[in-house]
Formats: sequence, structure tokens, C-alpha cells
Amino acid sequence: GESVGLHLPTLSVQEGDNSIINCAYSNSASDYFIWYKQESGKGPQFIIDIRSNMDKRQGQRVTVLLNKTVKHLSLQIAATQPGDSAVYFCAENATSGTYKYIFGTGTRLKVLA
Amino acid sequence: DAGITQSPRHKVTETGTPVTLRCHQTENHRYMYWYRQDPGHGLRLIHYSYGVKDTDKGEVSDGYSVSRSKTEDFLLTLESATSSQTSVYFCAISEARDSGSEQYFGPGTRLTVT
Repeated sequence: GESVGLHLPTLSVQEGDNSIINCAYSNSASDYFIWYKQESGKGPQFIIDIRSNMDKRQGQRVTVLLNKTVKHLSLQIAATQPGDSAVYFCAENATSGTYKYIFGTGTRLKVLA
Repeated sequence: DAGITQSPRHKVTETGTPVTLRCHQTENHRYMYWYRQDPGHGLRLIHYSYGVKDTDKGEVSDGYSVSRSKTEDFLLTLESATSSQTSVYFCAISEARDSGSEQYFGPGTRLTVT
């Protein structure tokens, strides 16, 4: 499949453990953030989003935390499974209210059996 | 994939030839986007559309043009392909919402310019 990044930072996690993937964003005017998962050879898949008026949002097995003070976003995956192995990246809207997004380069998550 | 198809899925072409990639959606979403993805880079926006015949440039628009004559179709054209345009191209769609909307991506087109 297509390579989404030859030198991405890699996080290796034991199956069943929790994973935390971090993202720093640059634009203090951004007010909407998204986490995507991309498996080899596929398009990015939406996981969860969060708006700037929130600090935390939970989904099914995933939690996103937003720290606007230090412009930091994290994705927590509970009880990591082999199917979670993929590249994860965050996106922010370029300016408030627009539909242009800026994407991070991503982190590769490897789940060890 | 949320009702988004891209064609072709793979293409090899020669430098200097025109190439058109097609994105087709069945979701009736207002916004459509073309991105390119290269190793070491995040997805980079080429062009986007906010309605039929309404388009705007993204951060890497040089050498690319787009057209949207129908809600469901968004075409990306490389007028004269160059080797630097070898990449994986993704189309995305989103609904119009006041404060942001998640994007849904197509399966991608791998383009190789020789």
C-alpha cells in the first residue's frame, strides 16, 4: 500500500495497554480540531473532533484532550487493539469558521501482540 | 468510505502530459477538497470548492486547476504534469456547518509522473 511517511515518529504499544498520541498545533485562532486514522493504502478516517470551547471529549474507546494554553492536543486510545495500528494525525481549521484545515504529519502507532 | 469515489485509482503518465483526476460523491455535501500526500508531509490542500462553480486555492495550487460543474463531481487537472507532482491525491468532502465539520476522504489516487 501507499506509504504515508517514511520517517514518522512511532509509538509502540502492547496490546491491551492505553495509547496516547500527541499533537502540537500552531494557530491560536483555530477553534476546531480533528483526529484522523490512516491505514496503509487507505484514505484518512475521521475518529473524533473537538471544539475550542471544550477541554475533553470522549468517544468509543477514544478521548481527545485539548490544552489551548500550550496549543496541545492529545488522543487517548483505551485498551489498544491490533486493528488500531495505523498512522494518526491531527488537523486544525486554518482560521475560525473556515473550512480550510492544516494537517499534522502524523504518528505511527504499532500495536505489539 | 462515505460515498466518495476517486478515479482512476492508479495512473502513470509522462512529464508534460495533461492529467485529470475525478472525485465523485453521493452525499450531497457542499464542500469538496483536493489534497496531496507526500512522505514527510501532512496532507496539503491543493484546491477546494464551497459550491458549484465556486472554488478557491489552497497552499499548493501551482500547476493545478479544478472545476466543479455539479455538486457531486470535483475534477483536478494537472495541465502539464511534472515529476514533482508524483504523489497520492485524496479527495474529501464535508457538510457546511457553522463551526467546523469533519471531512470524509476518498480512497486516494496514486499518480506517478515519469
